[in-house]
Amino acid sequence: GENVEQHPSTLSVQEGDSAVIKCTYSDSASNYFPWYKQELGKRPQLIIDIRSNVGEKKDQRIAVTLNKTAKHFSLHITETQPEDSAVYFCAASKTSGTYKYIFGTGTRLKVLA
Amino acid sequence: DARVTQTPRHKVTEMGQEVTMRCQPILGHNTVFWYRQTMMQGLELLAYFRNRAPLDDSGMPKDRFSAEMPDATLATLKIQPSEPRDSAVYFCASAREAQPQHFGDGTRLSIL
Repeated sequence: GENVEQHPSTLSVQEGDSAVIKCTYSDSASNYFPWYKQELGKRPQLIIDIRSNVGEKKDQRIAVTLNKTAKHFSLHITETQPEDSAVYFCAASKTSGTYKYIFGTGTRLKVLA
Repeated sequence: DARVTQTPRHKVTEMGQEVTMRCQPILGHNTVFWYRQTMMQGLELLAYFRNRAPLDDSGMPKDRFSAEMPDATLATLKIQPSEPRDSAVYFCASAREAQPQHFGDGTRLSIL
């Protein structure tokens, strides 16, 4: 069935270092890959997304890369700051809007000051 | 800034009681999703609707849970009877074609 694996489950980095979170999906029909950030007690919020016709997308300190052949995609955060501490969820879907997302199990990122 | 509105934000009730959670999707969004999250765990999809029609409710325990969309501006999730294991945060999200899902602030449910 449809599945998204996410690693690592927890990640601690020093402030200023980079963080990388990796996801692997099973459904080759997936063509949209969003990333959500969830702070403690808050709702998940979209931070970046990528569609299958693009290999990489960047927005300031965050970037996402996609390898469709290997069916994996990664989130990269550079120059991490304490406010980046949160749980990050990857997801895969057949379309961006009106189809269900298959979410990964989440990565708890701690940025140590 | 358009947002998904969920009510109530918090609910504490005793086991066996009926619980109703409501969601107002963003105006113009035609797809609504219900998720359950326990102790900062993953997002478990319970059900979703497109144009008010249920598309997939395979994640929902059918014996006690029900989800409906009485109209385009309201989605409801009901639990009857509630059990302590239903304690969780329930999120609603809405979307429209070619746009990502937007989440509401959630309903934090505690069943005693």
